[in-house]
Amino acid sequence: GIQVEQSPPDLILQEGANSTLRCNFSDSVNNLQWFHQNPWGQLINLFYIPSGTKQNGRLSATTVATERYSLLYISSSQTTDSGVYFCAVESPGFQKLVFGTGTRLLVSP
Amino acid sequence: DAMVIQNPRYQVTQFGKPVTLSCSQTLNHNVMYWYQQKSSQAPKLLFHYYDKDFNNEADTPDNFQSRRPNTSFCFLDIRSPGLGDAAMYLCATSRPGQEKLFFGSGTQLSVL
Repeated sequence: GIQVEQSPPDLILQEGANSTLRCNFSDSVNNLQWFHQNPWGQLINLFYIPSGTKQNGRLSATTVATERYSLLYISSSQTTDSGVYFCAVESPGFQKLVFGTGTRLLVSP
Repeated sequence: DAMVIQNPRYQVTQFGKPVTLSCSQTLNHNVMYWYQQKSSQAPKLLFHYYDKDFNNEADTPDNFQSRRPNTSFCFLDIRSPGLGDAAMYLCATSRPGQEKLFFGSGTQLSVL
């Protein structure tokens, strides 16, 4: 099956800093989503982005499907951005999202 | 607000005692999923329903069953919980043409 790796595995930032999270996948995809899991376990959908670039406030994401990677940018980080960020992908013909290994982010005041 | 609701938030059961977790949705989505997430790991798909069609993952143990009596509700039954089944169980929904996945807040299951 498709393999999904995320980097870095852990990231510590000072409040106000910017960061880039990366998701690499091993096969073509027709669905790619980024999620934020807060410290209480709730998974929030940030982006549906199988290709191209999207922005939502301080967050933006870019997927280059031909090169099999996606990037999540967080600007002016806040303590509420802490948690685990997952990318999840779906290959054509497979009706399921496979989650990546996650990036654990801690934003300190 | 339309949402995915899971009850209870925390569930404690005894080794071998059957337990049922519930999920309801007001989004009217066709597809409902159950994921298992163990500590510091990524969510892992157990099974999903597309309307009434049940799709089991090949590596989901027989100990795990699911029921979907109607569009709004879906249940996860663990017939004989073992210590290794302690985890967060996440319900999610989606619909064709709107592929974003929406998650409930999860049920944290403890097995004593």
